[in-house]
Amino acid sequence: EVQLVESGGGLVQPGRSLRLSCTASGFTLGDYAVSWVRQAPGKGLEWVGFIRSKPYGGTTEYAASVKGRFTISRDDSKSIAYLQMNSLKTEDTAVYYCTRTCANCYSGVRPFDYWGQGTLVTVSS
Amino acid sequence: DIQMTQSPSSLSASVGDRVTITCRASQNINNYLNWYQQKPGKAPKLLIYAASSLQSGVPSRFSGSGSGTDFTLTISSLQPEDFATYYCQQSYSNPRTFGQGTKVEIK
Repeated sequence: EVQLVESGGGLVQPGRSLRLSCTASGFTLGDYAVSWVRQAPGKGLEWVGFIRSKPYGGTTEYAASVKGRFTISRDDSKSIAYLQMNSLKTEDTAVYYCTRTCANCYSGVRPFDYWGQGTLVTVSS
Repeated sequence: DIQMTQSPSSLSASVGDRVTITCRASQNINNYLNWYQQKPGKAPKLLIYAASSLQSGVPSRFSGSGSGTDFTLTISSLQPEDFATYYCQQSYSNPRTFGQGTKVEIK
């Protein structure tokens, strides 16, 4: 069974850092890109960024709202992806989801086909 | 960035009703359009990919259509478990963007 499990959320003060983890099971993480998507309380979905799989360079892309503050990385040997969040702001308060995309599946359209349950990050003093 | 605009933002419908949600992209995205369903407190779930392809395990009452800039999600006969919020999302270019969501409520 495909599973993605996020961890590491919690309460953090503005300006501080937090690292989220996304642990994969039931599939080979190295075959997939991993995206992070967040949802502020009562709001819609916002893409944060993603990391490509190693065969596609393992490079990253970020939303403008987090670029320069957030970093996505991966350790395929452990089946874990990370979201390092620095210089946190109150507007970063959200549930953070990790999700996967397959480059060669779904007619090449690359939807987010499996999602974790999410982890809540609250940025407040 | 590609803007995705859904309409309506919310709707009230009864069990058995036919429901249609539209999504418009600010530029041509071919068929790089996906639909998700989200229930309160839960992660989104992929329903439709490539504008009209049904994800495995999703009931056939869900269907999608469109290409270019205009897309539609249709639920042919609304069931109690379909009351949720629906999002469209473009995967044509970065940044990936979502519509603002359409909340389907019980009339």
